[in-house]
Amino acid sequence: AQSVTQLDSHVSVSEGTPVLLRCNYSSSYSPSLFWYVQHPNKGLQLLLKYTSAATLVKGINGFEAEFKKSETSFHLTKPSAHMSDAAEYFCVVSSGGYQKVTFGTGTKLQVIP
Amino acid sequence: EAGVTQFPSHSVIEKGQTVTLRCDPISGHDNLYWYRRVMGKEIKFLLHFVKESKQDESGMPNNRFLAERTGGTYSTLKVQPAELEDSGVYFCASSPSGRASYEQYFGPGTRLTVT
Repeated sequence: AQSVTQLDSHVSVSEGTPVLLRCNYSSSYSPSLFWYVQHPNKGLQLLLKYTSAATLVKGINGFEAEFKKSETSFHLTKPSAHMSDAAEYFCVVSSGGYQKVTFGTGTKLQVIP
Repeated sequence: EAGVTQFPSHSVIEKGQTVTLRCDPISGHDNLYWYRRVMGKEIKFLLHFVKESKQDESGMPNNRFLAERTGGTYSTLKVQPAELEDSGVYFCASSPSGRASYEQYFGPGTRLTVT
């Protein structure tokens, strides 16, 4: 069994300030973890992924996430928010033979000018 | 390389009617997945094809939903008859075969509204 908890449904930051989107997971197997972003009226785009290599993962658009097994967390961060980062972000866990995927409930990021 | 495409982008139908959604995966991808997001809820897994075979259909809500993948290429998801609670966004995703790649590539989704 596996699950994902995104601790905040909405996060609001000022442009130029750091972004932190929190994600905790549980999995019976060694998981792969992903962050996807969905801009309005667009599909889901992969930001970054962890697949048992380096625990600090760098993604597109300046985002990164750190896999912390002891805390079962995979929080997404960015040093400085841009207006274009306003979107909904999904934390995803995948495990098992056919990589069954479970989504978090999503976090909507608002960036204030 | 073309991405995952879905058709139509929007569909509005009346309760009791039939709707068929189509997904064209990335060429050569053996794995094809369907997901659904009902308003205000999380994105939920519906089913997984490996080529033309259903590997896992544990997420299909009931027998009003029928998914097919003829020839292991594109897939269709038919809802018959549609109910109000079927409204939501239906996503399709694909990934290559083998354990090396765990990333799924998503289409833009089909927004279904049942009135």
